[in-house]
Amino acid sequence: GEDVEQSLFLSVREGDSSVINCTYTDSSSTYLYWYKQEPGAGLQLLTYIFSNMDMKQDQRLTVLLNKKDKHLSLRIADTQTGDSAIYFCAEKGAGGYNKLIFGAGTRLAVHP
Amino acid sequence: GAGVSQSPSNKVTEKGKDVELRCDPISGHTALYWYRQRLGQGLEFLIYFQGNSAPDKSGLPSDRFSAERTGESVSTLTIQRTQQEDSAVYLCASSRGQFNSNQPQHFGDGTRLSIL
Repeated sequence: GEDVEQSLFLSVREGDSSVINCTYTDSSSTYLYWYKQEPGAGLQLLTYIFSNMDMKQDQRLTVLLNKKDKHLSLRIADTQTGDSAIYFCAEKGAGGYNKLIFGAGTRLAVHP
Repeated sequence: GAGVSQSPSNKVTEKGKDVELRCDPISGHTALYWYRQRLGQGLEFLIYFQGNSAPDKSGLPSDRFSAERTGESVSTLTIQRTQQEDSAVYLCASSRGQFNSNQPQHFGDGTRLSIL
């Protein structure tokens, strides 16, 4: 079945780069997403990548996709305290509608 | 507003009572999703609506849970005879819903449900 896994916690120093990793099992995934959730709020779409790409950059965010290994990562350059949040990886399969399978989320803590 | 709106933002109720949660999707979004997020956990899919098609109810955890949506408008999620394990944040999302295309889901801020 479909499954998405993430490490649960990451701690980084302010100004350093953060790398959040995700693995998925559905080889037919078409789009992969990163969402950010701040305390008490819903999920905010950060970025996405289509499965025929291996990299996408958007300002401080870089998404890397290794389709062979079914591995997705999100790199945040120059991490700031405002980046502290939970980051969810999600995949959309090839068939049917836009049902997304979410990972359990990685809690990013940024310390001075 | 321009985003997905959910109400109430917080709901505290006694075990055994029924609750109704509301979601107002983004205008023009034909697809609507409900998720449950227990404390410290990821998102658990509950139900999906797409236009006038039959909803995908495969994620509903028991027959105490039901949801309705009329057309492409507001949806309500109802939990009957609430139990303490129903305590969670209930998130609603909507998208344009076109098949096999990049239509990311846009989320509301959720309803935090606490069962005493």
